Amino acid sequence: SQTIHQWPATLVQPVGSPLSLECTVEGTSNPNLYWYRQAAGRGLQLLFYSVGIGQISSEVPQNLSASRPQDRQFILSSKKLLLSDSGFYLCAWSVWGGRDGYTFGSGTRLTVV
Amino acid sequence: AQSVTQPDIHITVSEGASLELRCNYSYGATPYLFWYVQSPGQGLQLLLKYFSGDTLVQGIKGFEAEFKRSQSSFNLRKPSVHWSDAAEYFCAVGAGGTSYGKLTFGQGTILTVHP
Repeated sequence: SQTIHQWPATLVQPVGSPLSLECTVEGTSNPNLYWYRQAAGRGLQLLFYSVGIGQISSEVPQNLSASRPQDRQFILSSKKLLLSDSGFYLCAWSVWGGRDGYTFGSGTRLTVV
Repeated sequence: AQSVTQPDIHITVSEGASLELRCNYSYGATPYLFWYVQSPGQGLQLLLKYFSGDTLVQGIKGFEAEFKRSQSSFNLRKPSVHWSDAAEYFCAVGAGGTSYGKLTFGQGTILTVHP
């Protein structure tokens, strides 16, 4: 069966520090991968999606970047964190076309102080 | 572009009462529709999905939803709520026919269950 792993679960980082969040999927190949951010009372905002290795699309301009160095690995990064980067970050995967919906990871709570 | 509206930010029901969470979507073609549930500090879990066929779909945990094209709605229902159903619920619409299958989520409805 397919599983998705996301880590770390919580992270407290100072303003201006770098960020790296990792997400890996097991049990499937060539998944579509997604990074979402969830702010309290604001639903889920799609940050990045990827349909293949090295293929990244950004939905909103921001201080973050994403990379997909391997088929089942998706990384969210920042060179210098801002206070506004705080939030709950969720990684998800789907099959091509997304018809079966997404499977989400357990999320990372990021607090920038 | 697709959009989703969940009109109710917060709903409170008594345990054993029936539940209906509203969802209205906007999309030019037949959408893919989903309901997810999220417990505090956790990821989202898929409750049910619709993309074709029978407009009444059954999901996990005793939930069901009905697709009504004329009303652009996909409301979630449960006949008898349990205390463990307290969580946040998200409706989502997907655009079929694209490679990346982008889902757009509603703002969520927080469900509180009174004993």
